[in-house]
Amino acid sequence: SSVLTQPPSVSVAPGKTATITCGGNNIGAKSVHWYQQKPGQAPVVVIYYDKDRPSGIPERFSGSNSGNTATLTINRVEAGDEADYYCQVWESSSDQYVFGSGTKVTVL
Amino acid sequence: EVQLVESGGGLIQPGGSLRLSCAASGFIVSTNYMSWVRQAPGQGLEWVSVIKSGGGTNYADSVRGRFTISRDTFKNTLSLQMDSLRAEDTAVYYCARVDYSNSFFDSWGQGTLVTVSS
Repeated sequence: SSVLTQPPSVSVAPGKTATITCGGNNIGAKSVHWYQQKPGQAPVVVIYYDKDRPSGIPERFSGSNSGNTATLTINRVEAGDEADYYCQVWESSSDQYVFGSGTKVTVL
Repeated sequence: EVQLVESGGGLIQPGGSLRLSCAASGFIVSTNYMSWVRQAPGQGLEWVSVIKSGGGTNYADSVRGRFTISRDTFKNTLSLQMDSLRAEDTAVYYCARVDYSNSFFDSWGQGTLVTVSS
């Protein structure tokens, strides 16, 4: 199955932009979904199908996907964005769901 | 409102069995794909199993042959029977609904902790 590689951590100052990558072989050919997980809480989807936002998710969150890298971008970062973020795909070849290794976003 | 509530977690010895349940409200379990996702302490998310609306199932390689996913149409619940438990199965287990396109998890429960230890 796919291996999805994320940087372990990203640090960003308030008001700046956080960029979280998700690397995988030809991931651009798959649909990528992103989850935010705060300590002690269940994950919440923040981006689905590469770039769509569920209702209630701020426009500051955006996504893109091309080639071997999918990207979650958080603009104008706020203290409340501090969390772990995971990418995820459905692997058609094995009919399994795969998560990335996760990225801890720290707001300085 | 969609709600998922897991139960059944606890402390179990290696080699033992445990059954997790997930009570759903606000939608019909049997018309959706439903999954279990787990998270070991301090670790990332790991998909465990799925049961499809048609009844088909699939499992992560790490649990295939030991875990069994099922659903109860009348009670509107999802279950995970876990046998031959190992220390590495220690995790918070989340019940999750898969979205209408069967691609991502659009609703999650709060999780139930399973600890496998002697």
